[in-house]
Amino acid sequence: DVVMTQSPLSLPVTLGQPASISCRSSQSLVYSDGNIYLNWFQQRPGQSPRRLITKVSNRDSGVPDRFSGSGSGTDFTLKISRVEAEDVGVYYCMQGTHWPWTFGQGTKVEIK
Amino acid sequence: QVQLVESGGGLVKPGGSLRLSCVASGFTFSDYYMSWARQAPGKGLEWISHISPSSHHIEFADSVKGRFTISRDNANNLLYLQMNSLRVEDTAVYYCAFPTREPLSWGQGTQVTVSS
Repeated sequence: DVVMTQSPLSLPVTLGQPASISCRSSQSLVYSDGNIYLNWFQQRPGQSPRRLITKVSNRDSGVPDRFSGSGSGTDFTLKISRVEAEDVGVYYCMQGTHWPWTFGQGTKVEIK
Repeated sequence: QVQLVESGGGLVKPGGSLRLSCVASGFTFSDYYMSWARQAPGKGLEWISHISPSSHHIEFADSVKGRFTISRDNANNLLYLQMNSLRVEDTAVYYCAFPTREPLSWGQGTQVTVSS
């Protein structure tokens, strides 16, 4: 299985400051159709996961533009340009290229 | 709008069985792969199975292979997960979701607890 390794696992941030989460895959995530199926999810306490980013850098409708995704090959990053209180939660990367799809361990974002 | 609603969870003894259902609305169900994922208490997410629109292509994670089956009823927009030989480690919230490679929509989840 493809191993997705996130860092850090805990991220205390000051309101208004940037935050960055790294996700590394154990193998390339380029699929035969040329796409890289790397997604980012936010999960607030007691809620279902919410997709923020698909195919590395495509932000979903309704997701604030302070969220951005980047990367290629095996290294990917989710950035929050200015953290707001509503951004508290756990963030997961997930690959949908190689079955079984796999998730990172999750990064818990909290306000300092 | 898209809605996925799971049901069928509950408390079951080790070795028992449960059948989960997911009713879908707001999109053309028969056009999409559908999936089940789960989240153990306080843990991360695990993708466990998906099924093609025609039901001809089905895959399972190794952790549930041979114990769980997935099926769908396109006429009634229903997705099922039959879980047999349940183990304590199957305790989790089970979600249905789609589309499979880049799941945008998730249900609210249904709790499955396996305990004696």
